[in-house]
Amino acid sequence: EPEVTQTPSHQVTQMGQEVILRCVPISNHLYFYWYRQILGQKVEFLVSFYNNEISEKSEIFDDQFSVERPDGSNFTLKIRSTKLEDSAMYFCASSEDHPYSNQPQHFGDGTRLSIL
Amino acid sequence: AQKITQTQPGMFVQEKEAVTLDCTYDTSDPSYGLFWYKQPSSGEMIFLIYQGSYDQQNATEGRYSLNFQKARKSANLVISASQLGDSAMYFCAMREGILTGGGNKLTFGTGTQLKVEL
Repeated sequence: EPEVTQTPSHQVTQMGQEVILRCVPISNHLYFYWYRQILGQKVEFLVSFYNNEISEKSEIFDDQFSVERPDGSNFTLKIRSTKLEDSAMYFCASSEDHPYSNQPQHFGDGTRLSIL
Repeated sequence: AQKITQTQPGMFVQEKEAVTLDCTYDTSDPSYGLFWYKQPSSGEMIFLIYQGSYDQQNATEGRYSLNFQKARKSANLVISASQLGDSAMYFCAMREGILTGGGNKLTFGTGTQLKVEL
């Protein structure tokens, strides 16, 4: 069964450094998402992406964050200058959603980001 | 107000027994969908089952079923014949505006940690 793949599985970065988290969504999916889960807390929406642009973002997704689909398969999340509070599990998800459909979002295994 | 409320931080169930995990939601949107995801200790998020607000019947998917009570705004997950491998965190999530193109984001609850015992 096709799946969403994320790399790396664990990223350790010094505070203030830039980090790029990578995702390969399921190939026929049209919508892509990033969520994060701070340890022990619930999963929070960051951003959704469709047709090469952001379709929705949360208040967490400030100017420090950006997303990109640099080629036909990858979808990346960049954090420009990391802070301690960016430490979390970051999940990429994709869906074949048309806005009026009910297709589930399929999640990758996540990237655990640790900021030192 | 919380959009998704899961009031059971932890639940225990004996192997082969059924267990119900509670989820209540809050929305004024007439078209929405409710999803359940499983998160094992390894961390990945696994989609289990979906219920749409206009669906006439409760969703079922193998050992998983949804007890959907629209008037009470609840969408409880029922796992029948529990197995040791069912031990995990379970999240209820909602997507609003499905029929109005109101966005795709999922809003998650705080989760219920289920432990299946021998």
